[in-house]
Amino acid sequence: GAGVSQSPSNKVTEKGKDVELRCDPISGHTALYWYRQSLGQGLEFLIYFQGNSAPDKSGLPSDRFSAERTGGSVSTLTIQRTQQEDSAVYLCASSPDRGRDQPQHFGDGTRLSIL
Amino acid sequence: GIQVEQSPPDLILQEGANSTLRCNFSDSVNNLQWFHQNPWGQLINLFYIPSGTKQNGRLSATTVATERYSLLYISSSQTTDSGVYFCAVEQDYNQGGKLIFGQGTELSVKP
Repeated sequence: GAGVSQSPSNKVTEKGKDVELRCDPISGHTALYWYRQSLGQGLEFLIYFQGNSAPDKSGLPSDRFSAERTGGSVSTLTIQRTQQEDSAVYLCASSPDRGRDQPQHFGDGTRLSIL
Repeated sequence: GIQVEQSPPDLILQEGANSTLRCNFSDSVNNLQWFHQNPWGQLINLFYIPSGTKQNGRLSATTVATERYSLLYISSSQTTDSGVYFCAVEQDYNQGGKLIFGQGTELSVKP
């Protein structure tokens, strides 16, 4: 597609349930990033993919969070046993590569609400 | 880690006014981007500007990397300029390009 596509746009779930968030980057972009935007913490980096590998997972807040990318394209962020503090907007971005002169382009995000 | 500070935190303008938003960062950076988050939450690229000056219509940006700051200028503001403006930096090329965001400047343009 023309831009970064994320689904679902909104997700409401009960505490303790698992959720999966999907990101479809811009075609041909090899670098993919997940960020989280919450009221108290602003915009925070979670994980970076180059192709299918994740050289930087330093932003994942706990072992309940995991992500994978297959075929160098679509990525899924999974949160297990959700907690109320996981409520946030989860944003995905992609860029052609991680090199210089490569701005990141963001999707519209998934708004996650944990009841 | 690197600190990114934006000022002012909030700004109210009358339509037609000009403004300058500032982004200071505490260490050298490889890249810097300015974003506009509109009231619907969409994060829109404005500028990719690790150094120098760029202009796009009523918006322009200048980054002085040696002095560790960047400025975003908005001229003849319009109500559609309302939203939050974020500055984000990439500190280390070897870290893969992750962005560190400032806390944003919330701009409200009144008709």
